[in-house]
Amino acid sequence: DAGVIQSPRHEVTEMGQEVTLRCKPISGHDYLFWYRQTMMRGLELLIYFNNNVPIDDSGMPEDRFSAKMPNASFSTLKIQPSEPRDSAVYFCASSSSGGIWGSTDTQYFGPGTRLTVL
Amino acid sequence: DAKTTQPPSMDCAEGRAANLPCNHSTISGNEYVYWYRQIHSQGPQYIIHGLKNNETNEMASLIITEDRKSSTLILPHATLRDTAVYYCIVRPNTGFQKLVFGTGTRLLVSP
Repeated sequence: DAGVIQSPRHEVTEMGQEVTLRCKPISGHDYLFWYRQTMMRGLELLIYFNNNVPIDDSGMPEDRFSAKMPNASFSTLKIQPSEPRDSAVYFCASSSSGGIWGSTDTQYFGPGTRLTVL
Repeated sequence: DAKTTQPPSMDCAEGRAANLPCNHSTISGNEYVYWYRQIHSQGPQYIIHGLKNNETNEMASLIITEDRKSSTLILPHATLRDTAVYYCIVRPNTGFQKLVFGTGTRLLVSP
């Protein structure tokens, strides 16, 4: 199993540019999560999907951020326009609700995308 | 708002047991205790979870006190590769509940 795949691993862009981060979850997982990690705020959940449907986007910082999951094997997180304060490591994670204990599923994280906005 | 309290940092000698404490005094009867760790520059990694019984897997052991107000993660023979930030998280077992990561414990394993 390849695990959760994220691309790119590093992204450097200039303020005002559009940034698109990509994620391929583990095959068969029905939950997908986007997190952001900074030194100041730690690891924060931005949004999560269940069966490709956004369930909770309360962690999305503002309208400049958007996320989509067009199918079970692909999701994007887009920032438009980007700002220097968006610089962070963005993690994608996936999980399966099919465990015998129901919701006691575990999340599997990707390697992250380190975003730097100049 | 994490519902757990962990020491900010701990040290451990290589080969010795690392015992990482976590206080969760407001834990409810339907909440599990989860442990994740994050090695530098990597995504968080699941370690173990439990409800009230002690649990053990190939990575670690989890000891939960009888009143469930605290727990200890035990790495029996710490290696340099166990140097990481360890997060203790409490989470209900009914319905889907997101993980809320606190600040964790930074464990440094030294030779």
